Amino acid sequence: EILLTQSPGSLSLSPGERAILSCRASQTISDTYLAWYQQIPGQAPRLLIFGTSNRATGIPDRFSGSGSGTDFTLTISRLEPEDFAVYYCHHYGSSPITFGQGTRLEI
Amino acid sequence: QMLLVQSGAEVKKTGSSVKVSCKSSEYAFNYRYLHWVRQAPGQPLEWLGWITPFNENSKTNYAQRFRDRVTITRDRSKISSHMELSSLTSDDTAMYYCARGGIGDRSAFDMWGQGSMVIVSS
Repeated sequence: EILLTQSPGSLSLSPGERAILSCRASQTISDTYLAWYQQIPGQAPRLLIFGTSNRATGIPDRFSGSGSGTDFTLTISRLEPEDFAVYYCHHYGSSPITFGQGTRLEI
Repeated sequence: QMLLVQSGAEVKKTGSSVKVSCKSSEYAFNYRYLHWVRQAPGQPLEWLGWITPFNENSKTNYAQRFRDRVTITRDRSKISSHMELSSLTSDDTAMYYCARGGIGDRSAFDMWGQGSMVIVSS
């Protein structure tokens, strides 16, 4: 089983600042199978990034993903008020499918 | 755009079973992998299992820790899927989501249902 460890657990920033969220896998994974989701409280998750660096349909270009091997990053270049939420990384390249524990992005 | 609409909240007794449904607005739903994920209050997402499209005979794959308690099915004519979880305990209190995968088993989840809250109490 691939364990995903996200850091930091929470991050306090202001609108306009840049956010950098980390996801570390317990073993090397293919960058084809790493995704990021945003979850606003009370809502279902929303796909942001798949295949490490590909933005999903309708996702603004201030969201970007990078990484390889065991270390992956989600960067939000200029925070907007609606970006304050919980973010999860997700490995879907093997069973069981796993998620990180989340990073809470707070104003 | 395809929507996934789930059944409503349920309150169940310890030891009983719950069945949650997920219905799509489009027939193309039948040709995509369909996953079930749950989220206990204040906790991260947890994958339960998937079911393949009809053209792959609706095979299933479950997370090891749920393998003896979860059953995922799909209904071609009703363009829907169901997830049944048995032998419920208070630890099963969670929001349960269906999520659309891709044509293959290794795809991100690009659409989610709104969630179905299941509360288990004695």
